[in-house]
Amino acid sequence: KNEVEQSPQNLTAQEGEFITINCSYSVGISALHWLQQHPGGGIVSLFMLSSGKKKHGRLIATINIQEKHSSLHITASHPRDSAVYICAVTGSGSRLTFGEGTQLTVNP
Amino acid sequence: NAGVTQTPKFQVLKTGQSMTLQCAQDMNHNSMYWYRQDPGMGLRLIYYSASEGTTDKGEVPNGYNVSRLNKREFSLRLESAAPSQTSVYFCASSGAAVGGEQYFGPGTRLTVT
Repeated sequence: KNEVEQSPQNLTAQEGEFITINCSYSVGISALHWLQQHPGGGIVSLFMLSSGKKKHGRLIATINIQEKHSSLHITASHPRDSAVYICAVTGSGSRLTFGEGTQLTVNP
Repeated sequence: NAGVTQTPKFQVLKTGQSMTLQCAQDMNHNSMYWYRQDPGMGLRLIYYSASEGTTDKGEVPNGYNVSRLNKREFSLRLESAAPSQTSVYFCASSGAAVGGEQYFGPGTRLTVT
């Protein structure tokens, strides 16, 4: 079992829909990261959080430390949100462990 | 600021050839990392450097060497390339602490035939 599990692996939505991507982890962590990888390959950090909730524009990230679970929500989705969303955790040794990613496609 | 830059963007090697991937950051970050990304797998850490003058192995270090030349630059060397090293390689950096928010380079797509 991977230390970081994401679901779903693939997600297709219609423009305007509310989207949720989930991340579960099995190790103790000091922080959880959400990253976005665009079709061109570049990777951008969206959030780093260790408790509660963070919001940036239409993106919201939450974490429940007790349940070892995080969610990334996208409100009013748009085709430009189409990308791979990656969850990663900072665990022991302060190194990041990554999930396999969720491929999101938003159709107009 | 350019952020994190990597060269080259693409490279094709024959088995047994050597090459060095270059990475530089202009954000005055202490920590730098080399990852590889393969289809169906998450990013995996090859080596990292918590500060100038130090390097440590990550999850998949075999077949690679690194040099933290100065605070800005962190290079990855393949001494004798193998087809299993065909991958996309990303360099990243982070401020204050290892494991902090990471800034990624554009990646190098390497094919070993």
